[in-house]
Amino acid sequence: EPEVTQTPSHQVTQMGQEVILRCVPISNHLYFYWYRQILGQKVEFLVSFYNNEISEKSEIFDDQFSVERPDGSNFTLKIRSTKLEDSAMYFCASSVRRGLGNIQYFGAGTRLSVL
Amino acid sequence: TQLLEQSPQFLSIQEGENLTVYCNSSSVFSSLQWYRQEPGEGPVLLVTVVTGGEVKKLKRLTFQFGDARKDSSLHITAAQPGDTGLYLCAGAEGNEKLTFGTGTRLTIIP
Repeated sequence: EPEVTQTPSHQVTQMGQEVILRCVPISNHLYFYWYRQILGQKVEFLVSFYNNEISEKSEIFDDQFSVERPDGSNFTLKIRSTKLEDSAMYFCASSVRRGLGNIQYFGAGTRLSVL
Repeated sequence: TQLLEQSPQFLSIQEGENLTVYCNSSSVFSSLQWYRQEPGEGPVLLVTVVTGGEVKKLKRLTFQFGDARKDSSLHITAAQPGDTGLYLCAGAEGNEKLTFGTGTRLTIIP
């Protein structure tokens, strides 16, 4: 069964460093998402991406964050200068369509630890 | 911002018992999805409900979407230890993002 894959599974970084989290969405999906989950808290929406553009972003997704689809398969989340409070699980999701058919499939996540 | 409250937050029951968990909001969602999440892993989709009043069954799991599309329930019949996990509801807003509930952590005691 097709799945969303994320790498690395765990990323440890120093505060102020840049990190890039990688995702390979399901191959025929067109809509891509990043969510994060701080330990013990609920999953929160960060950003959605379609047709090489951000279509929606939350207030969490500030200027330190960016997303990119550099080729036909990868979808990346970059954090320019990490802060301690960026420590969380980051989940990538993809869906084949929007609206009522928007069923999002999630990857296993990348655990980001900022020291 | 739309909020989804799940109850109970924690539930621990004996194997073989039935249980219901709830997902409530004051807002209307275009659809609602139920996920299960294991520790250290991503949410795994169980079901999507779209129409008000819709009922879907997945083996021993029964999902219902409220008539007004503001709430949902998950009923498990004859719970088994393999049902242990974190159950999340998530409402779809418009065309894009999912708003996740607070989660119900279920433990089935053998």
